[in-house]
Amino acid sequence: DAGVIQSPRHEVTEMGQEVTLRCKPISGHNSLFWYRQTMMRGLELLIYFNNNVPIDDSGMPEDRFSAKMPNASFSTLKIQPSEPRDSAVYFCASSLRGAGTGELFFGEGSRLTVL
Amino acid sequence: KQEVTQIPAALSVPEGENLVLNCSFTDSAIYNLQWFRQDPGKGLTSLLLIQSSQREQTSGRLNASLDKSSGRSTLYIAASQPGDSATYLCAVDSGNTGKLIFGQGTTLQVKP
Repeated sequence: DAGVIQSPRHEVTEMGQEVTLRCKPISGHNSLFWYRQTMMRGLELLIYFNNNVPIDDSGMPEDRFSAKMPNASFSTLKIQPSEPRDSAVYFCASSLRGAGTGELFFGEGSRLTVL
Repeated sequence: KQEVTQIPAALSVPEGENLVLNCSFTDSAIYNLQWFRQDPGKGLTSLLLIQSSQREQTSGRLNASLDKSSGRSTLYIAASQPGDSATYLCAVDSGNTGKLIFGQGTTLQVKP
């Protein structure tokens, strides 16, 4: 398996622009997570899905952030409008809940810089 | 609210030394605990997962232990190598949701 695939790997944009980050989880996994990592705050969970349904979005910073999972093999995290404080590395991760151990597998991350 | 702490924040050792990384958590009612490795500019790589009913897990030179009653886990690395240099993070799943709470990590440098 190719693992969790994220795109783009790097994104530089200007304040106010829309940013869309993409994730393809490991085939067969039923849970998907979006994390954000910064030096100041470490790794924070933004939102997670179980069987394509959003379960907990309490970590989403504000209404500028939205996430979707239209099918089992694709998810997006959108920021509109973006702000400099959104600059961070955004990670997508997936796991198999229920039948598996719940071990979490991460993608390589999308490094976002908002100028 | 579950909080995870890792001490020390950074550690530098000579090659060949055995070492222990520490992780503590405030709520002992956990489902599992996972140790990860992160190289600079990279994603997180899962090293070991310990279920709440287990006391330890081993993989090669790595051994992770779990003591729920005291809210502690340790990651033991035997015969350290320069290639072990990375940041090591522990994370706790408190509610069998997969929702992991992470510590801030320990950055390890193994000097040749």
